Amino acid sequence: EAGVAQSPRYKIIEKRQSVAFWCNPISGHATLYWYQQILGQGPKLLIQFQNNGVVDDSQLPKDRFSAERLKGVDSTLKIQPAKLEDSAVYLCASSRTSGGSYEQYFGPGTRLTVT
Amino acid sequence: DQQVKQNSPSLSVQEGRISILNCDYTNSMFDYFLWYKKYPAEGPTFLISISSIKDKNEDGRFTVFLNKSAKHLSLHIVPSQPGDSAVYFCAASTANAGGTSYGKLTFGQGTILTVHP
Repeated sequence: EAGVAQSPRYKIIEKRQSVAFWCNPISGHATLYWYQQILGQGPKLLIQFQNNGVVDDSQLPKDRFSAERLKGVDSTLKIQPAKLEDSAVYLCASSRTSGGSYEQYFGPGTRLTVT
Repeated sequence: DQQVKQNSPSLSVQEGRISILNCDYTNSMFDYFLWYKKYPAEGPTFLISISSIKDKNEDGRFTVFLNKSAKHLSLHIVPSQPGDSAVYFCAASTANAGGTSYGKLTFGQGTILTVHP
């Protein structure tokens, strides 16, 4: 079974520029998550999708971050404009929803550096 | 507000000995707990989990213990191997299947485990 795919793996941009990250979850996984992991901290949930609907985006800075999951499969996360404090690893994860399983499978992440 | 805390940033253990990683939580609504392992340049991988109706779950060399009254859980690795060297994250979730927070994980800061040969 193929894992969660993310691209790009690394990105360096200047502040005020925009950037987009792409995620392809494990086939058949209805739930998709985007996390932000700042150096020295644990991952923090930004947004959770159930199929193509948003379940939780309470911690997404909506003035600059946006995310979509068209057709309930792939997802993109965008930052516009970027700030220095957005430097972090952005992790995508997916999970099955039924049966009370909470196991989330993570992709390798995209390391963003904002200069 | 740090709802899940791993107070030890790092742990160093000799190969063959026991590794004990600790985690504390403050939210009494958490009822499902997981441990993830993370190698550099990779995403976290699921290791073991425990439901709040249990106090122990074992999988090979890995055992997770849950003390609900103390809001504390621990991960025991016996025997420890050099390949276990990684960052370990504790995570917690609320079982709200009919609500908006289904499956949402709250992570601790992580503990760097180093197992010396």
